[in-house]
Amino acid sequence: TQLLEQSPQFLSIQEGENLTVYCNSSSVFSSLQWYRQEPGEGPVLLVTVVTGGEVKKLKRLTFQFGDARKDSSLHITAAQPGDTGLYLCAGARGDSNYQLIWGAGTKLIIKP
Amino acid sequence: GAVVSQHPSRVICKSGTSVKIECRSLDFQATTMFWYRQFPKQSLMLMATSNEGSKATYEQGVEKDKFLINHASLTLSTLTVTSAHPEDSSFYICSAREFGGLWTEAFFGQGTRLTVV
Repeated sequence: TQLLEQSPQFLSIQEGENLTVYCNSSSVFSSLQWYRQEPGEGPVLLVTVVTGGEVKKLKRLTFQFGDARKDSSLHITAAQPGDTGLYLCAGARGDSNYQLIWGAGTKLIIKP
Repeated sequence: GAVVSQHPSRVICKSGTSVKIECRSLDFQATTMFWYRQFPKQSLMLMATSNEGSKATYEQGVEKDKFLINHASLTLSTLTVTSAHPEDSSFYICSAREFGGLWTEAFFGQGTRLTVV
């Protein structure tokens, strides 16, 4: 069974601080997606990384895909209260089923 | 990004009744849709994969006779919770994937909060 271990599961920091969320696996993924979910809503796609070593930036968010495409990280610089939410990573398998393997999620709280 | 519409967003029903949840891809064709269940403060748990024109594939432990899935067209999939019980109360989310290229992305509906009383 493929697993995608996401850490930390919970993080509460002050506004202005930096943070990193990690997703690790022993398996190779064809792509990896990062989502953010607000309470009572569906997840919203933030980014998809496809190439090993790829780095994508979305304002203060930096996403990196590991060289071997087994791990990924999300780094937030100068976190703001509006960044509060549940962050989920999901790895796509390369087979025809195209199912996503989900991390457990990181509940992020940014205190003003 | 592509838009997936899920309806209703909230529903309260009595024990023993059935509830239907709709998932529509509004601006693309989705040959495959996924149904998830999410418990508070937890990640998504895949229930079943719905393929247009064929029977859904259910994950282990998910009762196919209780959670009926119909994917009659390329833009609509429905999940019917039959003979609902309070333990079925949960947040149900659908997603649809637009296939193309070497990688795909999943777009999610807004979710449905089901409360069985």
